[in-house]
Amino acid sequence: GQQLNQSPQSMFIQEGEDVSMNCTSSSIFNTWLWYKQDPGEGPVLLIALYKAGELTSNGRLTAQFGITRKDSFLNISASIPSDVGIYFCAGQRGQAGTALIFGKGTTLSVSS
Amino acid sequence: DAGVTQSPTHLIKTRGQHVTLRCSPISGHKSVSWYQQVLGQGPQFIFQYYEKEERGRGNFPDRFSARQFPNYSSELNVNALLLGDSALYLCASSLGSRGGAQETQYFGPGTRLLVL
Repeated sequence: GQQLNQSPQSMFIQEGEDVSMNCTSSSIFNTWLWYKQDPGEGPVLLIALYKAGELTSNGRLTAQFGITRKDSFLNISASIPSDVGIYFCAGQRGQAGTALIFGKGTTLSVSS
Repeated sequence: DAGVTQSPTHLIKTRGQHVTLRCSPISGHKSVSWYQQVLGQGPQFIFQYYEKEERGRGNFPDRFSARQFPNYSSELNVNALLLGDSALYLCASSLGSRGGAQETQYFGPGTRLLVL
């Protein structure tokens, strides 16, 4: 099935460092979403972006909806051990096509 | 408020059997979507239902079917199970289908299916 290009595939960082991950697509999306998934759990919504160029924060997390509507990035500042998990981007075309198209995920490991 | 709930949490079946997975959406949500997530991959879209009607179908064989009930809960059925059907099956609910925040999907914890 179709998947978005998400990078990096994995990251190993020290506690307190900032993290950046991004997602690109060959298709335009009307909504970009970022989810975090812990082992054995369902994805939890972190940030939703509904407008091209939109920059949205949720605590230490900041995400942007690319101007071309074909990309998005997620930044995590001052990482802590509980940030460990798999982060997924997802695009949604909306109305005519509301299915989420996911990236393959970025696995984040944080050492204290 | 309760989030999306799914049952059972885990299930073991053998090849050729059929399985029914259940999902209850967030209260007030009228749309339910089903996704399959195999190990190491992002979720793949299977079906979406809104107001009891199918609104979208992913690239899955006819062995997969679903329905939505008047109370907006949903069932996913898989017949003639194959080893490759082993995966985490996720249900997501959203308010509706008018675009934007109405369509933001919230996931349940999933049902882990193992086919032997």
